[in-house]
Amino acid sequence: DSGVTQTPKHLITATGQRVTLRCSPRSGDLSVYWYQQSLDQGLQFLIQYYNGEERAKGNILERFSAQQFPDLHSELNLSSLELGDSALYFCASSVGTGGSTGELFFGEGSRLTVL
Amino acid sequence: AQSVTQLDSQVPVFEEAPVELRCNYSSSVSVYLFWYVQYPNQGLQLLLKYLSGSTLVESINGFEAEFNKSQTSFHLRKPSVHISDTAEYFCAVSEWGGSEKLVFGKGTKLTVNP
Repeated sequence: DSGVTQTPKHLITATGQRVTLRCSPRSGDLSVYWYQQSLDQGLQFLIQYYNGEERAKGNILERFSAQQFPDLHSELNLSSLELGDSALYFCASSVGTGGSTGELFFGEGSRLTVL
Repeated sequence: AQSVTQLDSQVPVFEEAPVELRCNYSSSVSVYLFWYVQYPNQGLQLLLKYLSGSTLVESINGFEAEFNKSQTSFHLRKPSVHISDTAEYFCAVSEWGGSEKLVFGKGTKLTVNP
């Protein structure tokens, strides 16, 4: 158990809809990262938050947004969903205090299926 | 920007055989290097990492990787694999002094057959 909790584990929805994925980081971790895993693209970095502020941005679509709340949990919002958004979405957390130990702790993922 | 290339998408081997999973990276700045493992229906777990010091790093379950700066490689090896090593392995880099975000390769699926 990594200590990172993601909900829901599975989600099936229709094109055009909007969903919210939730992540609770490990106790004490200040950084949260979102990744998208698909068969064709592999693991793509979406966005990172550190202590409530956006720290780094990757290949995140404009239809997607994220935030980190004062209690450090994070939400990834996906809107106007398309078939191609079907993927496994991972949240990870790290201490994120500067310098780099490099170890990210991953949740078990939220599998999104868009029909 | 960094990028990671894992040259083999699938590697089938027999139990107790040696294995090497290849990883090359590209970066304009110094990087840290990692191997993560993903077992079926699970999240990723750190297998080993190179931050500095000795270029040969080892994991607790017998894997090792060697950082080769001149060849920009970080290949993963194990002298004798077990059925339980069947998983997908991801090589990743992060930038020195950067945000700690990891850039991953596309993964290598290791299948160990009896």
